[in-house]
Amino acid sequence: GAGVSQSPSNKVTEKGKDVELRCDPISGHTALYWYRQRLGQGLEFLIYFQGNSAPDKSGLPSDRFSAERTGESVSTLTIQRTQQEDSAVYLCASSVSGTEQYFGPGTRLTVT
Amino acid sequence: RKEVEQDPGPFNVPEGATVAFNCTYSNSASQSFFWYRQDCRKEPKLLMSVYSSGNEDGRFTAQLNRASQYISLLIRDSKLSDSATYLCVVIGRGSTLGRLYFGRGTQLTVWP
Repeated sequence: GAGVSQSPSNKVTEKGKDVELRCDPISGHTALYWYRQRLGQGLEFLIYFQGNSAPDKSGLPSDRFSAERTGESVSTLTIQRTQQEDSAVYLCASSVSGTEQYFGPGTRLTVT
Repeated sequence: RKEVEQDPGPFNVPEGATVAFNCTYSNSASQSFFWYRQDCRKEPKLLMSVYSSGNEDGRFTAQLNRASQYISLLIRDSKLSDSATYLCVVIGRGSTLGRLYFGRGTQLTVWP
């Protein structure tokens, strides 16, 4: 079946602009995660959605970052007033709660 | 202390060698453990789950030591295609139920 999909695959934006990244999880997966990975670095947890529970936002680096999820489907990660340090690959993953995650191909964000 | 710690390497081994990676975790209540593989500029992909009794998948063997809070991955008869970064992953318990914690990864290069 279809895996996790993300769009766009690449995004180049000017400093100060807002960007919106999209994630379509695997159908039936109740949990959805966003991570950030800077070049040559490990995965940095951003936010976690589990069903209808309040999301775990403990990884969001600043109030410029926000994410939403509609039910158990699509999620969007929004970065307002982008900064150069926001340049990274943004990875989305989904899972059946408490099990292994499956990752999307990521969105490569470049802030110029 | 980080939730999951790994030796970052790099490990550089010849084809045919046996190589082992180690990982420690801090939450003694953790119940589920995985190894992921991440190729350069690609998303992480599940390599194998780690079961209490230890498990083997072809050339790969995973072990869990709960008393020492320690996970290992053994690769026998290394292939060039095994070159990648290997991520140790632990599923949280308690207030972080369902959230996965990733180590920074161990980089492996297999040379001809």
